[in-house]
Amino acid sequence: GAVVSQHPSWVICKSGTSVKIECRSLDFQATTMFWYRQFPKQSLMLMATSNEGSKATYEQGVEKDKFLINHASLTLSTLTVTSAHPEDSSFYICSARYSRGGYREQYFGPGTRLTVT
Amino acid sequence: DAKTTQPTSMDCAEGRAANLPCNHSTISGNEYVYWYRQIHSQGPQYIIHGLKNNETNEMASLIITEDRKSSTLILPHATLRDTAVYYCIVKMYNFNKFYFGSGTKLNVKP
Repeated sequence: GAVVSQHPSWVICKSGTSVKIECRSLDFQATTMFWYRQFPKQSLMLMATSNEGSKATYEQGVEKDKFLINHASLTLSTLTVTSAHPEDSSFYICSARYSRGGYREQYFGPGTRLTVT
Repeated sequence: DAKTTQPTSMDCAEGRAANLPCNHSTISGNEYVYWYRQIHSQGPQYIIHGLKNNETNEMASLIITEDRKSSTLILPHATLRDTAVYYCIVKMYNFNKFYFGSGTKLNVKP
């Protein structure tokens, strides 16, 4: 199956700083990628849809100025958590939509653990 | 999208079949049933999906009732590595977004 990677796999940062997380589709092009957040013992929550060459669309309640998304190429989307605070500590997961002919599937990255101290 | 209901947790003995149920009574005619699983601290992994007919692949089987209001994911010979949270998601095939419910924590025990 198709592979999606994330970098870094984990990151610790100080409160008030910004952190960038990368999501790459390694062996396919993805015009659409998605970002999720998962708190301990909770399910994944969809944050936003990242569209190559256009602005991301955010789910209700997600602050677009805090979670900046850039989908600059067909294989890379980045999520920047700006002015991070301890409550932003979470597991961030991206996914990429694989589409070929009539076949569509969504593949998930391994996740990035963010800890804000 | 239709909502799904799954048991919070289930136990299964290693080597036995694991049958994970999912209720989706408000599913519409063009919505598919997808199953993903998430092993601790990893990203979700695709297992299987179906519309009406039962489906089987190398990982699992998906049984969908005739009225499509419920389905069962079957892992034929569960191993310890199958311990994970299993998510049942209902969505239209061309609809991009996945909304995850709370899932079922499957504990495979030796």
